[in-house]
Amino acid sequence: DGGITQSPKYLFRKEGQNVTLSCEQNLNHDAMYWYRQDPGQGLRLIYYSQIVNDFQKGDIAEGYSVSREKKESFPLTVTSAQKNPTAFYLCASSKDWVSYNEQFFGPGTRLTVL
Amino acid sequence: AQSVTQLGSHVSVSEGALVLLRCNYSSSVPPYLFWYVQYPNQGLQLLLKYTSAATLVKGINGFEAEFKKSETSFHLTKPSAHMSDAAEYFCAVRAGGTSYGKLTFGQGTILTVHP
Repeated sequence: DGGITQSPKYLFRKEGQNVTLSCEQNLNHDAMYWYRQDPGQGLRLIYYSQIVNDFQKGDIAEGYSVSREKKESFPLTVTSAQKNPTAFYLCASSKDWVSYNEQFFGPGTRLTVL
Repeated sequence: AQSVTQLGSHVSVSEGALVLLRCNYSSSVPPYLFWYVQYPNQGLQLLLKYTSAATLVKGINGFEAEFKKSETSFHLTKPSAHMSDAAEYFCAVRAGGTSYGKLTFGQGTILTVHP
């Protein structure tokens, strides 16, 4: 089955720690995205990658970092600089950057800072 | 810049009643529009999309949406609600220009279905 996997499903972090959220896709998609979801605020774009070895800041990139060394993987690191990291994080991918193809979403990771 | 407004953060209907979820968009270029559904603690699933072909778009689970350029709207409807339709629904518009792949999402509408 083709799709997007995210791990872990739940993650707990102590203040001051960096944590890395995993996102893997086997859809052979070029573009990948990270969103943050908070109640009543919809989805906000953190980072996106149009193609392997490239990534761009989204609307709320401060306190986050990413890498895109492999086409199928787009991990997100939540650093200690992110002041309010408790949220639901969603990874997505699309066939490419320039067409009208929809984005496919993973099941999400819920991060809680203790 | 693109934007999406979903009118009503909560909508409640009875089972078997019409579902109408409202979405208005703003876009400087011909838009591509999407409706997604999210069940609790899950990712988003595509319901339907408008990509400048037919203005009435049919999606999964009996949902459809009509693109009205004059009203800048893309409302989601379903003739008869089912209990399994209870979820949160997001409207999204795809950016144009150099930001092709970016989606701008609305705030979401939580649909409650009463027996």
